[in-house]
Amino acid sequence: GDSVTQMEGPVTLSEEAFLTINCTYTATGYPSLFWYVQYPGEGLQLLLKATKADDKGSNKGFEATYRKETTSFHLEKGSVQVSDSAVYFCALRDNDYKLSFGAGTTVTVRA
Amino acid sequence: DAGITQSPRHKVTETGTPVTLRCHQTENHRYMYWYRQDPGHGLRLIHYSYGVKDTDKGEVSDGYSVSRSKTEDFLLTLESATSSQTSVYFCAIGRTDHEQYFGPGTRLTVT
Repeated sequence: GDSVTQMEGPVTLSEEAFLTINCTYTATGYPSLFWYVQYPGEGLQLLLKATKADDKGSNKGFEATYRKETTSFHLEKGSVQVSDSAVYFCALRDNDYKLSFGAGTTVTVRA
Repeated sequence: DAGITQSPRHKVTETGTPVTLRCHQTENHRYMYWYRQDPGHGLRLIHYSYGVKDTDKGEVSDGYSVSRSKTEDFLLTLESATSSQTSVYFCAIGRTDHEQYFGPGTRLTVT
């Protein structure tokens, strides 16, 4: 079945550092790919998405590119802030519109 | 917020008791989902609904049942709660573009 593997955390960074979280997937067909973010004590929020190969999703300074050849959707941000501290989830959506999630990566940004 | 509420937000119950969690939406969307979130597993789909009285099983449906008698409400029932069902439960709606938006979550503890 479909699955998502993302890098294990936790990840601790200083403010203004570069962040990358690796995500790879296994799927039949052509899934859509997502990054969700969960701030402490809250539900998940959609951060960005890409629906086909070579699409780049972006939002709030975060970017991820759908790479079909490497089955990857790595999340990047050039300069993180303390407010980016959260848990980040990579997910894929299959043809039946169901989501499969990675295990989540906890990111802590220190001032 | 995406017009989704969950109740209760927190619940402590004893092993063997029935528990019902409620998800309510104000946006009249057809698709609704129940997930559980556990450390190291990300979110896993329990059940989903694609219309009134139309439901199907997800990845971890054993021990759970659902009902949807009207568009705005999707109920998750644990017929006889077990300690392994201690978790945070999230409801989500699937909007017209099939992007999923999540509620605030219910923290359930089974003692």
